Amino acid sequence: AQSVTQLDSQVPVFEEAPVELRCNYSSSVSVYLFWYVQYPNQGLQLLLKYLSGSTLVKGINGFEAEFNKSQTSFHLRKPSVHISDTAEYFCAVSEGGGSNYKLTFGKGTLLTVNP
Amino acid sequence: GAGVSQTPSNKVTEKGKYVELRCDPISGHTALYWYRQSLGQGPEFLIYFQGTGAADDSGLPNDRFFAVRPEGSVSTLKIQRTERGDSAVYLCASSGQSNVLTFGAGSRLTVL
Repeated sequence: AQSVTQLDSQVPVFEEAPVELRCNYSSSVSVYLFWYVQYPNQGLQLLLKYLSGSTLVKGINGFEAEFNKSQTSFHLRKPSVHISDTAEYFCAVSEGGGSNYKLTFGKGTLLTVNP
Repeated sequence: GAGVSQTPSNKVTEKGKYVELRCDPISGHTALYWYRQSLGQGPEFLIYFQGTGAADDSGLPNDRFFAVRPEGSVSTLKIQRTERGDSAVYLCASSGQSNVLTFGAGSRLTVL
């Protein structure tokens, strides 16, 4: 079985500051990794994904994440945040191959960007 | 359509009642998924359809929950004898050849 731990339930930052949202996973097989963002009253939107290849993944809205297999981590980063980045962020993992549809999500990190 | 559409967006019902939640996936997406998001939690997998058939229903919590996709497009999640613990946001997603899930805005179910 796989699991995802998002170490911070809430992260407050000031506008234009850098931010890192932490995600650790456990799985006995190779995995695919995802970050989704959820704005209030909206569905989950894919920010970025790691399937294979380069461990540094760039996504939308200036976000990037790095897959670290030895530390089983997939932390999300942005060098300078905007007020509009305020949202809930979810890390998710799925097994590769035929079971890649079944995502296991973390509990989410609420990012609040203050002026 | 342009995105995954879910109706109703909000549903309030009484304990013991029957509820149906509808999902209209992105046109051409053969795979459809239902997830449930309880307050303060991440989404949890319920069921996955490939075409008309349920390829994996291992996430359905009990036999009060059932989902159908008779024509391989629109899906309906059905909950019988609702309980207060069923209150959650029910998310639908679909995917095409990329296997990347696109989620709808969800149906918020409140059982009084």
